[in-house]
Amino acid sequence: LAKTTQPISMDSYEGQEVNITCSHNNIATNDYITWYQQFPSQGPRFIIQGYKTKVTNEVASLFIPADRKSSTLSLPRVSLSDTAVYYCLVGRGDSNYQLIWGAGTKLIIKP
Amino acid sequence: DVKVTQSSRYLVKRTGEKVFLECVQDMDHENMFWYRQDPGLGLRLIYFSYDVKMKEKGDIPEGYSVSREKKERFSLILESASTNQTSMYLCASSLSRGRIQGDTQYFGPGTRLTVL
Repeated sequence: LAKTTQPISMDSYEGQEVNITCSHNNIATNDYITWYQQFPSQGPRFIIQGYKTKVTNEVASLFIPADRKSSTLSLPRVSLSDTAVYYCLVGRGDSNYQLIWGAGTKLIIKP
Repeated sequence: DVKVTQSSRYLVKRTGEKVFLECVQDMDHENMFWYRQDPGLGLRLIYFSYDVKMKEKGDIPEGYSVSREKKERFSLILESASTNQTSMYLCASSLSRGRIQGDTQYFGPGTRLTVL
């Protein structure tokens, strides 16, 4: 059974780079990896998506090794406003669509 | 910007009541989803729909049904609410059927349902 595993919580300080890793050992060929951010009292919001290697946008980078069994969300120079819960999602692309969410990582940024 | 709205932010119902949660999206998206979110469990998919009148079971469909009569509207129905259905319910939509696995999902603000 496919599963995504991520740390329950992490702490860091303003200005630091934060890396959150998600494990998805049973990832399949057509699966995509997507990360979402959620603030209290809001729905999750898309951050970044990747299939392999490295993807970068204006807010984050996503590193995916060749075997694709894990992925790492990298947030450069975090601020207090990055305090949120971060979810890893593996979207299965075979004939039976599956969306396999991690349980979320609560990131707390300290001043 | 995509907007997904949910009919209520907070709802309190009694055991055995029939409960309707409504979701509307304004971007002509094909796919719509209903999730429940519980502490420590993340998001769990209840049902999704890829077209009008079409539905697919997610991971936890028991005790729920859905209705999609119009493209922009997706309803979640609790036929007989129970206390273990107390949760945060999130609706989402995404653009195209062809690649659900890679589509960006846009979420509503959620409905916090309490069943007494």
